[in-house]
Amino acid sequence: NAGVTQTPKFRVLKTGQSMTLLCAQDMNHEYMYWYRQDPGMGLRLIHYSVGEGTTAKGEVPDGYNVSRLKKQNFLLGLESAAPSQTSVYFCASSYLQGFTDTQYFGPGTRLTVL
Amino acid sequence: SQQGEEDPQALSIQEGENATMNCSYKTSINNLQWYRQNSGRGLVHLILIRSNEREKHSGRLRVTLDTSKKSSSLLITASRAADTASYFCATVETGANSKLTFGKGITLSVRP
Repeated sequence: NAGVTQTPKFRVLKTGQSMTLLCAQDMNHEYMYWYRQDPGMGLRLIHYSVGEGTTAKGEVPDGYNVSRLKKQNFLLGLESAAPSQTSVYFCASSYLQGFTDTQYFGPGTRLTVL
Repeated sequence: SQQGEEDPQALSIQEGENATMNCSYKTSINNLQWYRQNSGRGLVHLILIRSNEREKHSGRLRVTLDTSKKSSSLLITASRAADTASYFCATVETGANSKLTFGKGITLSVRP
């Protein structure tokens, strides 16, 4: 099993450009999450999904959109990137108990917005 | 809002010594989890301890939970250079729709 994978690993954008980050998991998990990690801030939840076709806002959703068309994939989109979105983005998944369950993390995507 | 607050922020020890890291939180919790993050990598789950549990072990790891003091500790015994990483505590508050909230992390350096 590959676990949780993320694409791409690194990306540099200019302000105003758009991009999509892809997360895939092969563990048949219901729940999937997107976090951002900034220095000194810990991880903050952006959006999450409790199952195929569902999405919900987390702590810092502004400027991001998500989609979960297939159970194994969770996409994070930036429509118009801003320097404040420079961060490391982590995707995670968990089984049936959602937030009260163990989360499995991907390796991260390092995004720089100039 | 940040729930868990780790202490100390950084810890440097000699290989073979024990490392103790603490986490305090503010409200009632469903469970508390500890994660490890090696430099440039994703987080790896270490231990989950539920609010009705007081202690759990996993290999060289020992986690305690004191709900009356709203605190937890992670003990790594006989540390190794490979234990060098950042360690995060994360909590899930009681109640519906509660999310997993991470602290800012502890940087552990184990000197060979």
